[in-house]
Amino acid sequence: GQQLNQSPQSMFTQEGEDVSMNCTSSSIFNTWLWYKQDPGEGPVLLIALYKAGELTSNGRLTAQFGITRKDSFLNISASIPSDVGIYFCAGRRNAGNMLTFGGGTRLMVKP
Amino acid sequence: DSGVTQTPKHLITATGQRVTLRCSPRSGDLSVYWYQQSLDQGLQFLIQYYNGEERAKGNILERFSAQQFPDLHSELNLSSLELGDSALYFCASSVSGYALVEQYFGPGTRLTVT
Repeated sequence: GQQLNQSPQSMFTQEGEDVSMNCTSSSIFNTWLWYKQDPGEGPVLLIALYKAGELTSNGRLTAQFGITRKDSFLNISASIPSDVGIYFCAGRRNAGNMLTFGGGTRLMVKP
Repeated sequence: DSGVTQTPKHLITATGQRVTLRCSPRSGDLSVYWYQQSLDQGLQFLIQYYNGEERAKGNILERFSAQQFPDLHSELNLSSLELGDSALYFCASSVSGYALVEQYFGPGTRLTVT
């Protein structure tokens, strides 16, 4: 099936630092979503992006829908220990609601 | 708490067996989606139901089937289980079945096949 390439696969950061992760595809997507998954829990929606070039924030999180519609970026500013978890990007191609997920970025924050 | 409930939380069974996973969507949501999350495959879309009818199919095996009942809860049936079916199974729901309507995930059912 379609693949979303998410990078990095994992990352360590120091508390207070900013972090960035991205998702790329060879196909165009009409919607990009970012989810966070804590251990033993289901993914929680963080940010949804609907237009190419769109930049949206949710607290310390900022995500962008790439101009080419083939990529998206998530930035977390001033990371804190509770940011630890796995972040997934997801893309939607058409009017149906099927999501394609990236492989996830595991974030670890050192206090 | 997303409002989506799934039971059971954990399930351990043997190869060749059949199990049923249950999902109740958020109040007011008509669409239910099933996903499989395994270590080597990430989150894979299986199937979507909207108001009782199948809406979209993803990478769902023929050994797996699902249905959505009049009260909108959904069940995912997995039969002739294999070791490789061990995974987390998530249900998500949304108000409708179309784009621009986001999906909210339940806590998942962890299936272990021994």
